[in-house]
Amino acid sequence: RKEVEQDPGPFNVPEGATVAFNCTYSNSASQSFFWYRQDCRKEPKLLMSVYSSGNEDGRFTAQLNRASQYISLLIRDSKLSDSATYLCAVPSNSGYSTLTFGKGTMLLVSP
Amino acid sequence: DTGVSQDPRHKITKRGQNVTFRCDPISEHNRLYWYRQTLGQGPEFLTYFQNEAQLEKSRLLSDRFSAERPKGSFSTLEIQRTEQGDSAMYLCASVGGLAKSEAFFGQGTRLTVV
Repeated sequence: RKEVEQDPGPFNVPEGATVAFNCTYSNSASQSFFWYRQDCRKEPKLLMSVYSSGNEDGRFTAQLNRASQYISLLIRDSKLSDSATYLCAVPSNSGYSTLTFGKGTMLLVSP
Repeated sequence: DTGVSQDPRHKITKRGQNVTFRCDPISEHNRLYWYRQTLGQGPEFLTYFQNEAQLEKSRLLSDRFSAERPKGSFSTLEIQRTEQGDSAMYLCASVGGLAKSEAFFGQGTRLTVV
């Protein structure tokens, strides 16, 4: 299994839809997980951190399934401004707190 | 601005030239990372500093690449004898404290080798 693997995109959804992305990881010892949002040609920006079973922030919910080694990001009531690439990041196997990123899942929200 | 700062934002260079990028992390952050990102890929780890010590280097980091963080504050990444395959966005991220592992990125330096 790759260190971090994400749903291939793009996901095309209408405004108001609910959409979920999955991310699987190989490092079973990982204790923290992150979702980043990246706009075209910009830097990744931290969207959500997950340290236990999950986290919720407004329309965004991240859930962790340790047994199956995946985390998901759920976006409710999608807005046009949610269009971006969503990157999953997991501490690497090296033990130096290095984050390994997935390739990202692109979300396109249309009117 | 108290975020991570990178300079320059864009760099176009001819193949074979040397380039150097600078990163100023968030001031209280002791951990600093360099990543490289190409189109359609996630950021790929290059190297990691804790204070001034370079603790980890990726196998991606050829001997043409060198990074320093001399006083545990800003860092530089130098690429010698650039190749077209070095064209990418070079991202710096900083992390603060022992309890947190949230990384904050600078705006990146976009390198184009022609």
